[in-house]
Amino acid sequence: NAGVTQTPKFQVLKTGQSMTLQCAQDMNHNSMYWYRQDPGMGLRLIYYSASEGTTDKGEVPNGYNVSRLNKREFSLRLESAAPSQTSVYFCASSESGGRSNQPQHFGDGTRLSIL
Amino acid sequence: SQQGEEDPQALSIQEGENATMNCSYKTSINNLQWYRQNSGRGLVHLILIRSNEREKHSGRLRVTLDTSKKSSSLLITASRAADTASYFCATVTGYSTLTFGKGTMLLVSP
Repeated sequence: NAGVTQTPKFQVLKTGQSMTLQCAQDMNHNSMYWYRQDPGMGLRLIYYSASEGTTDKGEVPNGYNVSRLNKREFSLRLESAAPSQTSVYFCASSESGGRSNQPQHFGDGTRLSIL
Repeated sequence: SQQGEEDPQALSIQEGENATMNCSYKTSINNLQWYRQNSGRGLVHLILIRSNEREKHSGRLRVTLDTSKKSSSLLITASRAADTASYFCATVTGYSTLTFGKGTMLLVSP
């Protein structure tokens, strides 16, 4: 049972390059999330998808785009990478959004460095 | 912006001792969740406490919630070296997106 799988695990980019971070979950969850974690800042929500076909901005969406490809997959794209986007990126999923009390399940992260 | 703030930022104890971490938040919540993060790994959900609950237990974990003080505490009893990790509180307000604090780093020495 893989849970939430993120690829790649590590990536180094040059400023201005683009890339897509992939996330897939096998728990049949409706909601998926992208966070970034910076030292001393905790986790901050970038984008989320309450259900297949919907996406919404979180706290720090600038410089990112997302695609909910299907129920299983939720990708995060950096169109023109900047050094300020150096971070560890986590994908998470939960059974449903709304006001239900559902814990989130996290992948092991993608460590991204932008030079 | 961070909703929850954990205290202390770092905690070092011996195996067998109890560890207490606190979380304060600013606005009304639907529920509060605690997560653990081992070094280099993703977060793992530990326990969820709803806004109408005051205390909850799960194994060696005890969580309290005081909505009047906008605070929560996580107690780990009889700590083990394997409990070494960072612990985060996360609040849910309105729609169920989580807002995380900055975490407490716990070191349990054998």
